[in-house]
Parts: sequence; C-alpha cells; structure tokens
Amino acid sequence: GDSVTQMEGPVTLSEEAFLTINCTYTATGYPSLFWYVQYPGEGLQLLLKATKADDKGSNKGFEATYRKETTSFHLEKGSVQVSDSAVYFCALSDEGGATNKLIFGTGTLLAVQP
Amino acid sequence: ETGVTQTPRHLVMGMTNKKSLKCEQHLGHNAMYWYKQSAKKPLELMFVYNFKEQTENNSVPSRFSPECPNSSHLFLHLHTLQPEDSALYLCASSQSGRGSYNEQFFGPGTRLTVL
Repeated sequence: GDSVTQMEGPVTLSEEAFLTINCTYTATGYPSLFWYVQYPGEGLQLLLKATKADDKGSNKGFEATYRKETTSFHLEKGSVQVSDSAVYFCALSDEGGATNKLIFGTGTLLAVQP
Repeated sequence: ETGVTQTPRHLVMGMTNKKSLKCEQHLGHNAMYWYKQSAKKPLELMFVYNFKEQTENNSVPSRFSPECPNSSHLFLHLHTLQPEDSALYLCASSQSGRGSYNEQFFGPGTRLTVL
C-alpha cells in the first residue's frame, strides 16, 4: 500500500541555518503531496502542497519539489527562525482524491536555537 | 468562527464517565475525519465521513462512537475509556471527490486525559 517515510528527528539547528527534512513516498499512480506543520499545543496546518510531478510548493520561505523520478518531496528552508520550531509531517493523497485519505509520515521535530 | 473548531480543548475523565467531543467546520466541506495523535506514535486515522456517511472505521474499539448529523458537525462519543486512550484527538475536514486533491484542514484538537 501507499506509504510515506520521513527522516527521524529531532533536528536541531541554530537560527539562520539551512533546513532539509527528507521525505520519500511509495504510491501507485500520481499522488498529491503535502507538508503539514504542527506548532506546540495546536492542530496540523497545511504548509505547502504539490499536485503533479516537478511542481514546487512554497510558503513562508519553505519549499518542496515533487520529484517523481526519486519519489521524494524534501522540505527546505534557506534560513530558519526560532518560530519555525514545530513538528513537520509529510503526507500523500491518492491520485485525484478518490478515497478521501491522507497517508502521513511519522513527523519530524525541528528545534531551532537562538 | 472560521476553519475547523473543536470543543472542549481539554478534557479529563474517569474510566466510567461518558463524554463527547465536538467538531464543527465552517468551510463548506463534505468530508470529515477523526484522528488520534499519541506521543511517539504516528497519526492514526480513526473514522471518515463522506456526505454524512461513514466510509472508514479503522478497527476502532466500540468505546469510541462517532456521529455525523450533517456535513458541518462531527461528534466522538466516549464511554468506559482506558488510560491508554489518553491522546490528542484531531478533527479535520476536506472537499472530497476527484480533482479535489483531498487537502485536509485540521482543528486545534482536544487533549484527552483518562484517569
């Protein structure tokens, strides 16, 4: 079945460092891909998405490119801030949203130190 | 109110109590979901409702009973829970159907503690 694998955390960085959180997926067809972020004490918020190969999703300085050849959707940010400290979830949805389900990775905790 | 709201935000209950969690979405969506988020475990999908009909039940124990009276409201009725049911319960909604990409919008969650 479909699955998402993301790097184990925690990831600890200093402010203004470069961030990469790896995400790879296994799916039949052409899924849509998402990154969600969960700040402490809150629910999940959609950070960015990409719905077809080579699409780049971006938001708040974060970017991720849908790479079909490597089945990856790595999250990057050029300069992290303390306020970016949160748990980041990679997720996929089946092609066209037919089954209403999102498959989530296990989440990666990011801690940014001043 | 905008987005997805959940009440209460925090709940402490004994194992013999009966309580209900409420979720409301103000986005005009037609699908709603309950998830369980426990410490150090992946997010667990519990129930899916599509146009008020339950389309998914991921082997959830019967002490959790969902109810979806309309496309905007979703409840989770709780009775005779166990301490291991303590977790953050998240509600989400989406616009389902082909071409919708199933982008889900989440509420803030209810932090449940079972004593």
